[in-house]
Amino acid sequence: AQSVTQLGSHVSVSEGALVLLRCNYSSSVPPYLFWYVQYPNQGLQLLLKYTSAATLVKGINGFEAEFKKSETSFHLTKPSAHMSDAAEYFCALGSGNTGKLIFGQGTTLQVKP
Amino acid sequence: DTAVSQTPKYLVTQMGNDKSIKCEQNLGHDTMYWYKQDSKKFLKIMFSYNNKELIINETVPNRFSPKSPDKAHLNLHINSLELGDSAVYFCASGGRERKDGYTFGSGTRLTVV
Repeated sequence: AQSVTQLGSHVSVSEGALVLLRCNYSSSVPPYLFWYVQYPNQGLQLLLKYTSAATLVKGINGFEAEFKKSETSFHLTKPSAHMSDAAEYFCALGSGNTGKLIFGQGTTLQVKP
Repeated sequence: DTAVSQTPKYLVTQMGNDKSIKCEQNLGHDTMYWYKQDSKKFLKIMFSYNNKELIINETVPNRFSPKSPDKAHLNLHINSLELGDSAVYFCASGGRERKDGYTFGSGTRLTVV
């Protein structure tokens, strides 16, 4: 069965510190992986996606993620957190041949001044 | 020009009522989706239509009925609303393949009282 697990439902960092949000997946076929961000009272916005090209993927707002097959991971990082990064972050896995996305439980990122 | 638009943004209604949520996309995508986000922010797929054809119907009560008059529109009708239906409902559109990901609407917050 395909699944996504985000480790840590809540992550708190200081402004300027490294952001690391963890995502592990389980898939019987080569995965397509996504990170979405949800700001309060808004929809989900695509940050970046892995589709079997480069394993290090760069996205918007300075975020990047590295696909590691051996660790079945797709962790999201940003070198220096901004206050505006405070939001909910979702990792998702493309499933089957229907375009269906399976989402992780989400991680709330808090950025302290 | 909004890519995926949902109306209404907020919906407050009494138990037992029937309500509809509308969704339109102008991205030219063939596939549209409805997701439900519960109070813990967990996202679960409900339905998917590809060019007006139902392709995903997860375990959803029969009170929920999607309707797609054309590939740019996917509406959600809910009969006999219950307290447990309170959630945020997201419409999304995307390609048929796993690697495409989605573009989300801004959501409809449904509150059943």
